[in-house]
Amino acid sequence: DAGVIQSPRHEVTEMGQEVTLRCKPISGHDYLFWYRQTMMRGLELLIYFNNNVPIDDSGMPEDRFSAKMPNASFSTLKIQPSEPRDSAVYFCASSSSGGVNEQYFGPGTRLTVT
Amino acid sequence: GEDVEQSLFLSVREGDSSVINCTYTDSSSTYLYWYKQEPGAGLQLLTYIFSNMDMKQDQRLTVLLNKKDKHLSLRIADTQTGDSAIYFCAESRNGGSQGNLIFGKGTKLSVKP
Repeated sequence: DAGVIQSPRHEVTEMGQEVTLRCKPISGHDYLFWYRQTMMRGLELLIYFNNNVPIDDSGMPEDRFSAKMPNASFSTLKIQPSEPRDSAVYFCASSSSGGVNEQYFGPGTRLTVT
Repeated sequence: GEDVEQSLFLSVREGDSSVINCTYTDSSSTYLYWYKQEPGAGLQLLTYIFSNMDMKQDQRLTVLLNKKDKHLSLRIADTQTGDSAIYFCAESRNGGSQGNLIFGKGTKLSVKP
């Protein structure tokens, strides 16, 4: 398996623009997580899905952030409009029910909003 | 408190042992984890311990769990420069049910030659 795939790896955009981050989880995994990592705040859970249904979105900073999972193999995190304080590395992770609950992380998308 | 807590930095010399400490909050967590993040990469599970154990050893890694104090530690023997990374402690809340893990802020380990 190729692991969790994220695109793009790097995104530079201007304040006010819409940004869409993409994630393909590991095939067969039924949980998908979106995290944000910054130096100041560390690793923050934004939202997670189980079987494509959002379970907990309490970490989503504000209405400018939205996430969807239209099917088991694809999820998006959208920021509209983007602001400089959204600059961070965004990680997608997936896991499977049962076992030790290991989360597999993608390589991340480094977002810079100027 | 509500957070998983760990110190932010640790510096050791190559060949020494490293000990990274963590305190967690949910006494019902089924598993506790150590994840490793190398520069420019995502987190990767390094090791985990089941809550009914108090120690787990895996080659150079030793995990100690003190449930009474909710304290978890990771010892790396014979630390190498390749061990330089950020190490995250994590717990599974909600009685260990599937889903959310709560991560600490990470301890950056620097290994000096």
